[in-house]
Amino acid sequence: GNSVTQMEGPVTLSEEAFLTINCTYTATGYPSLFWYVQYPGEGLQLLLKATKADDKGSNKGFEATYRKETTSFHLEKGSVQVSDSAVYFCALSPKSNYQLIWGAGTKLIIKP
Amino acid sequence: GAGVSQSPSNKVTEKGKDVELRCDPISGHTALYWYRQSLGQGLEFLIYFQGNSAPDKSGLPSDRFSAERTGGSVSTLTIQRTQQEDSAVYLCASSLSRGSNEKLFFGSGTQLSVL
Repeated sequence: GNSVTQMEGPVTLSEEAFLTINCTYTATGYPSLFWYVQYPGEGLQLLLKATKADDKGSNKGFEATYRKETTSFHLEKGSVQVSDSAVYFCALSPKSNYQLIWGAGTKLIIKP
Repeated sequence: GAGVSQSPSNKVTEKGKDVELRCDPISGHTALYWYRQSLGQGLEFLIYFQGNSAPDKSGLPSDRFSAERTGGSVSTLTIQRTQQEDSAVYLCASSLSRGSNEKLFFGSGTQLSVL
């Protein structure tokens, strides 16, 4: 079946530190991959996506590369800010249907 | 509207009571989803509406849960005879159309607490 596993949180970093949030998946075929972010008090919103192997999604300084060989879609940012504090969700969508399969979310805390 | 609107934002109810949660999607969005987010868990799919097609109810956890979407717009999720395990954040999302790459727009959710 399809599943998403992401690193447990909370992840606590100092401002300007390098960020990696790991995400691995299990899927049949070639799903689309997503990172969604939930800022405090706000709704979930799409951060970035990749639809095929070796694609790199990027937005707001965040990047993630679709790695078919390692079934991974790790989220990275070179220098985090306090405003990046949020919960980050990795998700996949099988191309055969419309459903999103979600990871459990990783809470990120950035300290000034 | 400008975004997906959900009401109420918080609902506290007693075990055994019925609750209704409302979702007003973005105008023009034909696809509407309900998810449940429990503490420390990923999002759990509940139900999906696409235009005038029959909804996909495969994610509803029991027959106490039901949802409808009137006129292809506003949706109501109803939970009958609430139980404590129903406590969670209920999220609604909409998108322009069905498709695995369509961007979902989420509401802020309804925090349901069953005492």
